Amino acid sequence: NAGVTQTPKFRVLKTGQSMTLLCAQDMNHEYMYWYRQDPGMGLRLIHYSVGEGTTAKGEVPDGYNVSRLKKQNFLLGLESAAPSQTSVYFCASSYEIGWSSEGYEQYFGPGTRLTVT
Amino acid sequence: KNEVEQSPQNLTAQEGEFITINCSYSVGISALHWLQQHPGGGIVSLFMLSSGKKKHGRLIATINIQEKHSSLHITASHPRDSAVYICAVRSDRDDKIIFGKGTRLHILP
Repeated sequence: NAGVTQTPKFRVLKTGQSMTLLCAQDMNHEYMYWYRQDPGMGLRLIHYSVGEGTTAKGEVPDGYNVSRLKKQNFLLGLESAAPSQTSVYFCASSYEIGWSSEGYEQYFGPGTRLTVT
Repeated sequence: KNEVEQSPQNLTAQEGEFITINCSYSVGISALHWLQQHPGGGIVSLFMLSSGKKKHGRLIATINIQEKHSSLHITASHPRDSAVYICAVRSDRDDKIIFGKGTRLHILP
């Protein structure tokens, strides 16, 4: 199993450009998450999905959109990139079995380093 | 005040030393997660805890629900343990996942 993969690994954008980050998982997980990681701060949740066709806002959703058309894929879009969106983006997934703490375990992708100039 | 606080922020130790990293939280939780972030950036799950103690190799994680505190211990530390260790909790009120800022560990050979 590949686990959680992210595409691309690196990207440089100019202010105002758009792009889509792709996250894919092959573990049949219901829940998927997009986080950003900035120096000196913990991981912050951007958006998440509790199943195919559903999405919800996290802690820092502004400037981002997401879609979960297929269970295995979770896309993060930046419609008009800003320098404040320079960050490392991580995708994660989990199975979410409520009766066991292990069900909440998150599996992370390798990250996408995005620079907006 | 952050809802999840880790201490210390940075730790440098000699190879072979016993390491303790602490995580304190202020919310009710359904689970606590210890993660390791390698120098290359990848994040790996170490433990999920809701009570008691877990051990995997040289790593031991404990949690005290009453005191809202968890510790991650590394026995016989090795330079390859150098990484950032992250504590995350899942709130039992709204299922929100809250991350600590991490503890940067550097083990000297």
